[in-house]
Formats: sequence, C-alpha cells, structure tokens
Amino acid sequence: GDSVTQMEGPVTLSEEAFLTINCTYTATGYPSLFWYVQYPGEGLQLLLKATKADDKGSNKGFEATYRKETTSFHLEKGSVQVSDSAVYFCALVIPPGAGSYQLTFGKGTKLSVIP
Amino acid sequence: DAGVTQSPTHLIKTRGQHVTLRCSPISGHKSVSWYQQVLGQGPQFIFQYYEKEERGRGNFPDRFSARQFPNYSSELNVNALLLGDSALYLCASSLYPGRINQPQHFGDGTRLSIL
Repeated sequence: GDSVTQMEGPVTLSEEAFLTINCTYTATGYPSLFWYVQYPGEGLQLLLKATKADDKGSNKGFEATYRKETTSFHLEKGSVQVSDSAVYFCALVIPPGAGSYQLTFGKGTKLSVIP
Repeated sequence: DAGVTQSPTHLIKTRGQHVTLRCSPISGHKSVSWYQQVLGQGPQFIFQYYEKEERGRGNFPDRFSARQFPNYSSELNVNALLLGDSALYLCASSLYPGRINQPQHFGDGTRLSIL
C-alpha cells in the first residue's frame, strides 16, 4: 500500500540554522505531496504542497521539491526560528477515482529550535 | 470566520464504554473527514463523508462509525472502547472531496483517554 517515511526525530537546531527533514514515499499511483505542521496542543495546518513532478511548494520560508525519480519530498528552510518549533508531517494523497480524499501521513518529525 | 470546531476537547472513558465525538466544518464546506492520531504517530484516516454519504473508509473495525447531518456537521461514534483507542481524534473539512487543490482544514482535535 501507499506509505510515507520520514527521518526520525527529534531534531534540535540553534536559531538561524539550516533545516532539512527528509521524506520519501511509496505509492501505487501518481500522488500529490504535502507537508503539514502541528504546533503543541493544536491540529494540523497545511504548510505547503506539490501536485506534480518538479513542482516546488513554498510557504513561510519553507520549501520542498517533488522529486519523482527519487520518490522524495524533503522539507528545507534556510534559517529557522524558535517559533518554528513543532511537529512536521509529510503526507500524500492519490487523486481518487471515486471522489474520496485520503491523506496518508508519515510518523512526524519533532523540531525544537533553541535561541 | 470560525475554523473547524470539535467537541469535546478532552474526554476520559473506561473500557467497554461508548463515545460520541462531534465536528462542525468551516462554513460552506460540505465534506468532513475523521483521522485518529495515536501518540507519537501520524494521523490515520478513518472516514470521509460528503452530502451525508460515506465516501471513504480506512482500515478500522466496525466499532467505529460516523454520520453527517444536513448542516454538514458530523459525529464519530466508537463502541466497546479499548485501551488502544486512546488517541487524538482529528476532524478535517473541505469544500468537496477529491479535489487536490482544495486542501483539508483540520480542527484542534478531541483527546480521548481510555482507562
């Protein structure tokens, strides 16, 4: 079945450091890819998405490029802030034929940024 | 505008009991999905509803059921609760199911603890 594998956390970085969180996927079809962020005590917020190969999603300084040849969608940010501390989830969805929209999530990577 | 609202925010039950969780989607959204997030894991898809009909079902036992009302709000019911049902239950809404460019918006979830 479809699955998403993320790098194990937790990840601890100093403020202004460079961030990479690796994500690879296995899918039977041609998926759309997402990064969601979950702040403590809250639900999930969509951070960025990409729907086809070589698309780059970006938001709030975060970027991820859909790499079909390596089945990857790694999240990057050039300079992290304390406010970026959260759990980050990589997810995919296969465009449905029957009108259902089921997100498949990775296990999440906890990021802590220290001043 | 109000986002996705879920009630209650926290709930404690004992094994064998029954629970009902509630979700109100964003105004105008017609599709509701439910996800289960066990501590330390990514969310897992349970159900999707659109126009009061079930559009998708994840790999969960028949103890889990749901319904959607004419005002598009939804309930998730779980019977014969087990310790393993302890989790954060997330509701997500979107305008329509199956539209990649219409992302799902998540509520803050209901934290269910089984004693």
